[in-house]
Amino acid sequence: DTAVSQTPKYLVTQMGNDKSIKCEQNLGHDTMYWYKQDSKKFLKIMFSYNNKELIINETVPNRFSPKSPDKAHLNLHINSLELGDSAVYFCASSQVRGHEQYFGPGTRLTVT
Amino acid sequence: DQQVKQNSPSLSVQEGRISILNCDYTNSMFDYFLWYKKYPAEGPTFLISISSIKDKNEDGRFTVFLNKSAKHLSLHIVPSQPGDSAVYFCAASPHSGYSTLTFGKGTMLLVSP
Repeated sequence: DTAVSQTPKYLVTQMGNDKSIKCEQNLGHDTMYWYKQDSKKFLKIMFSYNNKELIINETVPNRFSPKSPDKAHLNLHINSLELGDSAVYFCASSQVRGHEQYFGPGTRLTVT
Repeated sequence: DQQVKQNSPSLSVQEGRISILNCDYTNSMFDYFLWYKKYPAEGPTFLISISSIKDKNEDGRFTVFLNKSAKHLSLHIVPSQPGDSAVYFCAASPHSGYSTLTFGKGTMLLVSP
């Protein structure tokens, strides 16, 4: 059974489009995250949700909007995509006070 | 400003030998450290962690050492196996209920038969 899953795995789209990436975890964790791995390979936190509430929002353009319909799901919607948004986006989850985060397989977004 | 640094982008080791991956940090608020392993086209997988109250943690072939005064930690893999070939990320977290992880850039380990 997949613990943290993301869809789609690959996403190719044109500049200006709006797209969403979905994430689901079946670990029973209360906290979920979105990370971005850019071309320099750094993994950087974008957002964190705890029990459907936003608790961390790093400096991310307003075009990025996370949505958590329930504590097992955290989706990422991106408006007006730009070339610089091309990256691999990872979803992760953890227990509220646990340090170990469990990652999904990633979504490679390519904006042309 | 990189708060977690992995200065070696790659490391090559022969099967059966020891692999030593290094990590330095600058933020004194970090008190929990983790190593993740990542294969291509997969997400990072948690490997081992250490709290600042310890200086060593061991799990099978993997041992993490922490030197708080030097703000340095290392991951030892003994013996190294070809299946260990992957990118290894060091991550650090301050004492927080919400576990914000700051990652290093990663070190690619290649273990040759």
